[in-house]
Amino acid sequence: AQKITQTQPGMFVQEKEAVTLDCTYDTSDPSYGLFWYKQPSSGEMIFLIYQGSYDQQNATEGRYSLNFQKARKSANLVISASQLGDSAMYFCAMREVPSGSARQLTFGSGTQLTVLP
Amino acid sequence: DVKVTQSSRYLVKRTGEKVFLECVQDMDHENMFWYRQDPGLGLRLIYFSYDVKMKEKGDIPEGYSVSREKKERFSLILESASTNQTSMYLCASSSTPTVNEKLFFGSGTQLSVL
Repeated sequence: AQKITQTQPGMFVQEKEAVTLDCTYDTSDPSYGLFWYKQPSSGEMIFLIYQGSYDQQNATEGRYSLNFQKARKSANLVISASQLGDSAMYFCAMREVPSGSARQLTFGSGTQLTVLP
Repeated sequence: DVKVTQSSRYLVKRTGEKVFLECVQDMDHENMFWYRQDPGLGLRLIYFSYDVKMKEKGDIPEGYSVSREKKERFSLILESASTNQTSMYLCASSSTPTVNEKLFFGSGTQLSVL
């Protein structure tokens, strides 16, 4: 079964508007972490934001916020005031913490975001 | 800033060739990873290493091997390249294996096997 599901292969948003990129996850571990990465056309993966399973507040980093709904197992990324430079592929990822596999991230299939002028 | 450097941005090889993809990090990280990225499949873990000379299989290790002789260098080896190994390969590193530890990535190597 997929551990990370991103159902939107592609999204379009008008410049200066907000956009939500969906991510659902599947784990039975009580302790886990959720990440969002951005991959521009240059190829390098850029870390955006992190949410821990025990964090009470939704994570925010500048124009990025993570809408964490634990009961629904969703961790959607919200980008406010979109800019042309936000056009990129976005990946949701999860780290589970059973012993022996605390090091790796499991990634979703990604969402290609295009910001329109 | 952490720097993860992959030796080649683009690589073209022939079927059956032995291929080496090199990755070097400059932040003394214990953990290093090789992922493969394919459209619609996201990133899939091939191998990772948590110490020199140590390695563990990821989700798709078949057809690949790795080498970590020095802490800063992690090599991915395709013993006999095949066309289905045409892909983008991403190297990453991290320090302590805590739940919030983020991975630092290189720029990737786009490998084409003809």
